[in-house]
Amino acid sequence: EPEVTQTPSHQVTQMGQEVILRCVPISNHLYFYWYRQILGQKVEFLVSFYNNEISEKSEIFDDQFSVERPDGSNFTLKIRSTKLEDSAMYFCASSDRGVTDTQYFGPGTRLTVL
Amino acid sequence: AQTVTQSQPEMSVQEAETVTLSCTYDTSESNYYLFWYKQPPSRQMILVIRQEAYKQQNATENRFSVNFQKAAKSFSLKISDSQLGDTAMYFCAFRTSGTYKYIFGTGTRLKVLA
Repeated sequence: EPEVTQTPSHQVTQMGQEVILRCVPISNHLYFYWYRQILGQKVEFLVSFYNNEISEKSEIFDDQFSVERPDGSNFTLKIRSTKLEDSAMYFCASSDRGVTDTQYFGPGTRLTVL
Repeated sequence: AQTVTQSQPEMSVQEAETVTLSCTYDTSESNYYLFWYKQPPSRQMILVIRQEAYKQQNATENRFSVNFQKAAKSFSLKISDSQLGDTAMYFCAFRTSGTYKYIFGTGTRLKVLA
């Protein structure tokens, strides 16, 4: 069964550095998402992306964050200048259709900012 | 504000027994979708079951069924004939029609005992 994959599984970075988290969505899916889960807290929505545009974003997704689909298979989340509070598990998800469809999640990337 | 509450942080059940995980949510919307996701240790979240709010019939997937009480805003998951492979974190999630954003509960860690 097709799965969403994410790399790396764990990323350690210094505060102020840029990081790029990578995701390969399920191949025929058209809608892509990022969520994050700070340790001990709920999974929170960051952004949804369709047709090379952001379709919805949360208040967490400020100017420090950006998303891109650089080619036909990858979907990336960039954090320009990481802060300690960006330490979290970041989940990518994808869906075939939009708001009526189920989202399929990747295993997550654990980001640790020192 | 829309919220999802899972009041049981941890539960355990004997193999072959039945267990019910509770979930309540709060929304003023009438059209929405409810989900239970399972996250085994160190693995990605996978969809267990999905319920559309407009459907009165409770969803069922093999050993997994839900008790959807729309008026009470309750969406519990029943696992029958529990198996060791059911050991996982279970997340209840909710999405209103017209938005991509899932709202998650804090999760219930279920341990199936041999």
